[in-house]
Amino acid sequence: KTQVEQSPQSLVVRQGENCVLQCNYSVTPDNHLRWFKQDTGKGLVSLTVLVHENDKTSNGRYSATLDKDAKHSTLHITATLLDDTATYICVVGDRGSALGRLHFGAGTQLIVIP
Amino acid sequence: AQTIHQWPVAEIKAVGSPLSLGCTIKGKSSPNLYWYWQATGGTLQQLFYSITVGQVESVVQLNLSASRPKDDQFILSTEKLLLSHSGFYLCAWSPGQANSDYTFGSGTRLLVI
Repeated sequence: KTQVEQSPQSLVVRQGENCVLQCNYSVTPDNHLRWFKQDTGKGLVSLTVLVHENDKTSNGRYSATLDKDAKHSTLHITATLLDDTATYICVVGDRGSALGRLHFGAGTQLIVIP
Repeated sequence: AQTIHQWPVAEIKAVGSPLSLGCTIKGKSSPNLYWYWQATGGTLQQLFYSITVGQVESVVQLNLSASRPKDDQFILSTEKLLLSHSGFYLCAWSPGQANSDYTFGSGTRLLVI
């Protein structure tokens, strides 16, 4: 059973536009939530981690929110660049320690066109 | 600065042959180490983790095993590959503090034929 659902599955935007990626999850307990960027065939690059109810984070053009009551997170990318083309993966950790397990979403494939 | 290196970058192996994938972390002592696997078109799954030398915990086995022979080294292996082992293998490390960052390697792409 999929515990982390991401939407949309894929998204095409023009360079300079903003976009919003969604993540809904049913993982319990939900200790923290992370967003990663994965270039095709490459490893994951951490964008942000959200821990507390109603957390908001900002990392350059990336900003994210977490609503633990609704078990929902959003990733906003502003003024997209061609290099933002990648798969964005939402990951929920059920504990803060190494003993916890990371639960991965299938990702949103973002394509930025000129 | 810490670095994480995975090898090989890619492999094509025959069904029934052995496999050994490696991961080395430099610049960090006693890291927590992890192995993840992603079937083609699929979702990443955590396979193993290790918080200290010689100790490895299994999350999802998939007829694979892992070992941590040194503080900075994490090995994923099997004696007999299955077609279902094809996919993308990622190694990662974290410092171990609560909610600390995870750093991933570049991955190994494996095709079993």
